[in-house]
Amino acid sequence: GAVVSQHPSWVICKSGTSVKIECRSLDFQATTMFWYRQFPKQSLMLMATSNEGSKATYEQGVEKDKFLINHASLTLSTLTVTSAHPEDSSFYICSATGTGGHEQFFGPGTRLTVL
Amino acid sequence: QQQVKQSPQSLIVQKGGISIINCAYENTAFDYFPWYQQFPGKGPALLIAIRPDVSEKKEGRFTISFNKSAKQFSLHIMDSQPGDSATYFCAASGWNSNYQLIWGAGTKLIIKP
Repeated sequence: GAVVSQHPSWVICKSGTSVKIECRSLDFQATTMFWYRQFPKQSLMLMATSNEGSKATYEQGVEKDKFLINHASLTLSTLTVTSAHPEDSSFYICSATGTGGHEQFFGPGTRLTVL
Repeated sequence: QQQVKQSPQSLIVQKGGISIINCAYENTAFDYFPWYQQFPGKGPALLIAIRPDVSEKKEGRFTISFNKSAKQFSLHIMDSQPGDSATYFCAASGWNSNYQLIWGAGTKLIIKP
């Protein structure tokens, strides 16, 4: 159990376009979802935390108008990278927790390349 | 105070040997200490986790040792295999980090056949 999926697994887009990444909890209700960014050979960097039905809380330095997060249901959160630029190229990973749990279950990640 | 310091940055171990990765924290409010394994191009996967009320937890070849007074915890991989070659991250969370995971910098482990 506790499976989290992400779609797409990789995406290539042109500079200036927007890209949407979906994160789904397949077999549990995710009260909280987290979005991370990971650069090569580095640790995970938390971008934002979202609770179902409420606005996401962004970490310091993360532009909320550029990285739009929607957590519309207990099984789905989306991250939209608006007006993407080459410096947004990275590995984006989501995770989810169920009710009352510390444990975060991670998705497989999405590789974004902006040309 | 929110940091988790992980060492070593990289580690090479012979097949069959013991791999040991260490982490240290400062925030005494942390109460959950997981270890994650990550393969290239994949998301992290929970390997094993411990709470501060026990000093050791073992699952198969993987053991966490926890020293509350020293604020340190470590991952031991017994009988290390080439398939264990991956990057390992320790993390910590607690009520005063809003249960967000505070991550170590990661250790790239290579098991030589």
